[in-house]
Amino acid sequence: ETGVTQTPRHLVMGMTNKKSLKCEQHLGHNAMYWYKQSAKKPLELMFVYNFKEQTENNSVPSRFSPECPNSSHLFLHLHTLQPEDSALYLCASSQDQTGQFFGPGTRLTVL
Amino acid sequence: DAKTTQPNSMESNEEEPVHLPCNHSTISGTDYIHWYRQLPSQGPEYVIHGLTSNVNNRMASLAIAEDRKSSTLILHRATLRDAAVYYCILRRRDSGGYQKVTFGTGTKLQVIP
Repeated sequence: ETGVTQTPRHLVMGMTNKKSLKCEQHLGHNAMYWYKQSAKKPLELMFVYNFKEQTENNSVPSRFSPECPNSSHLFLHLHTLQPEDSALYLCASSQDQTGQFFGPGTRLTVL
Repeated sequence: DAKTTQPNSMESNEEEPVHLPCNHSTISGTDYIHWYRQLPSQGPEYVIHGLTSNVNNRMASLAIAEDRKSSTLILHRATLRDAAVYYCILRRRDSGGYQKVTFGTGTKLQVIP
């Protein structure tokens, strides 16, 4: 247990569906992150939130929409995804100069 | 972000020490060296980080070259549970409190019983 939880752990959705991924951290950290991990590719940073403000958006398509209502919760809203968006989506949190603590991830399959 | 270079894979015998190398020749003075590992079917796990001096924690040791252009993660006694992909990452110090890190392909460590 890293103190970062993600739900659901697995998600199968069609290209016309709308779904949301949830992340919660119980560590009192001030920054949260969304990463995408596709098969045989390095981990890709998608979004960074620092004190609830989005500070990074690494050219992510608009069909991915993040939301950070408070410093403990992070959402990734999904709509009209493509099959190539199937991947493991990882949430992480950190505090200042410490390492990032990752959740277990959500395995997403887009049909 | 400064780049790191790691071997694609390494093997170690169980209960022997493992030295995982990382080259970061373009490191800047404000870059921290972070190591993470990812076990199969799990998210990455923070292992250790350092700036200039060698670091020890309960999981591993980090040896940093004097010129900081390379570092080595040391697992003192490899166990089967240490089989994972190990990532060496540079993280620039900033005042914003967040970290933008770039993961490479890492080193896949196999531990042989």
